[in-house]
Amino acid sequence: EPEVTQTPSHQVTQMGQEVILRCVPISNHLYFYWYRQILGQKVEFLVSFYNNEISEKSEIFDDQFSVERPDGSNFTLKIRSTKLEDSAMYFCASSLRATQETQYFGPGTRLLVL
Amino acid sequence: AQTVTQSQPEMSVQEAETVTLSCTYDTSESDYYLFWYKQPPSRQMILVIRQEAYKQQNATENRFSVNFQKAAKSFSLKISDSQLGDAAMYFCAYRRERYGGSQGNLIFGKGTKLSVKP
Repeated sequence: EPEVTQTPSHQVTQMGQEVILRCVPISNHLYFYWYRQILGQKVEFLVSFYNNEISEKSEIFDDQFSVERPDGSNFTLKIRSTKLEDSAMYFCASSLRATQETQYFGPGTRLLVL
Repeated sequence: AQTVTQSQPEMSVQEAETVTLSCTYDTSESDYYLFWYKQPPSRQMILVIRQEAYKQQNATENRFSVNFQKAAKSFSLKISDSQLGDAAMYFCAYRRERYGGSQGNLIFGKGTKLSVKP
């Protein structure tokens, strides 16, 4: 069964460093999402992406964040200058169509900012 | 703004018994989708079941079923014949119907931690 994959599974970085989290959505899916989950808290929406453009973003997704689909398979989330509060689990998700209501999640990347 | 509330931070069930997890939501929209996701200790988010708001029939997936009460804005998950592998965090989520440029991101509740006792 097709699945969303994410790399790395864990990343430790120093405050102020840039990190890039990578996702490979399900191959025929067209809509992509990033969510994050701070330890012990609920999952929060960051951004959605379609046709090489951001469709929606939350107030969390400030200028420190950017997303990109550099090729036909990868979807990346970049945090330019990490802060301690960016430590969280980051989930990528994809869906086939906008009217395809189910979003399928990857296994997540656990980011720790020291 | 839409909100999702899970009032049970933790629940416990005996193996082979049935448990119901509660979820309520607030929305002014008539078309939307509701989901239950399971998050085991590995922290991966796994879709358990989904419900379209326009459908009156409650969704069922094997041992998992929902009780969808649209007027009451309630969406509970029933797990029958509970198994040790069901132990996980369960998140209720809402997604509005897409309109305009919106893709309808998921809005999650805070989750219910389910323990299964052997």
